[in-house]
Amino acid sequence: EDQVTQSPEALRLQEGESSSLNCSYTVSGLRGLFWYRQDPGKGPEFLFTLYSAGEEKEKERLKATLTKKESFLHITAPKPEDSATYLCAVQGPQGGSEKLVFGKGTKLTVNP
Amino acid sequence: NAGVTQTPKFQVLKTGQSMTLQCAQDMNHNSMYWYRQDPGMGLRLIYYSASEGTTDKGEVPNGYNVSRLNKREFSLRLESAAPSQTSVYFCASTGELSGNIQYFGAGTRLSVL
Repeated sequence: EDQVTQSPEALRLQEGESSSLNCSYTVSGLRGLFWYRQDPGKGPEFLFTLYSAGEEKEKERLKATLTKKESFLHITAPKPEDSATYLCAVQGPQGGSEKLVFGKGTKLTVNP
Repeated sequence: NAGVTQTPKFQVLKTGQSMTLQCAQDMNHNSMYWYRQDPGMGLRLIYYSASEGTTDKGEVPNGYNVSRLNKREFSLRLESAAPSQTSVYFCASTGELSGNIQYFGAGTRLSVL
């Protein structure tokens, strides 16, 4: 059974204080690992897809990396507007459905 | 381009009442999904439809039914609502041309009293 564990559950940073969020996964035959951002009262918003170990993707202050067991979302010099819940999800080899298994998320708060 | 549209945004039901949550997408996606999100539980898949005319159970299907009305629309029905079904419900869709990225609606916040 595919499993995704995110840590920490919650993270408080000062503006400008860089840090990383972790997503550990267990899946037989990873087809893709997805990062989403979710603001309060809204639906998840897609950030990145990673497909193979060693892959990295960047967007503004965010950088996602992937190994065979986990993914990291690095946040460099965060701003208060980066405050949100970040969700990680994996897609296994089940053909024809594109189902995702989500972690419980990391709630990030960036204080000014 | 509206993306994924869910209605209603909020709903309060009494135990035993029924209702249907509506979802429509305008991205010509083949696959559609219904999730529920509860505090501390993350997003859990209720039902999904890999293509028009097919539906399958997800992780937590009990107490729900779905209908893939056409390629655009996928509805979720609660036949006899229970307090345990108080949650935020999200619809999502994806297709091959979107790189299998799931795009989500804004959610329906349901309270069952």
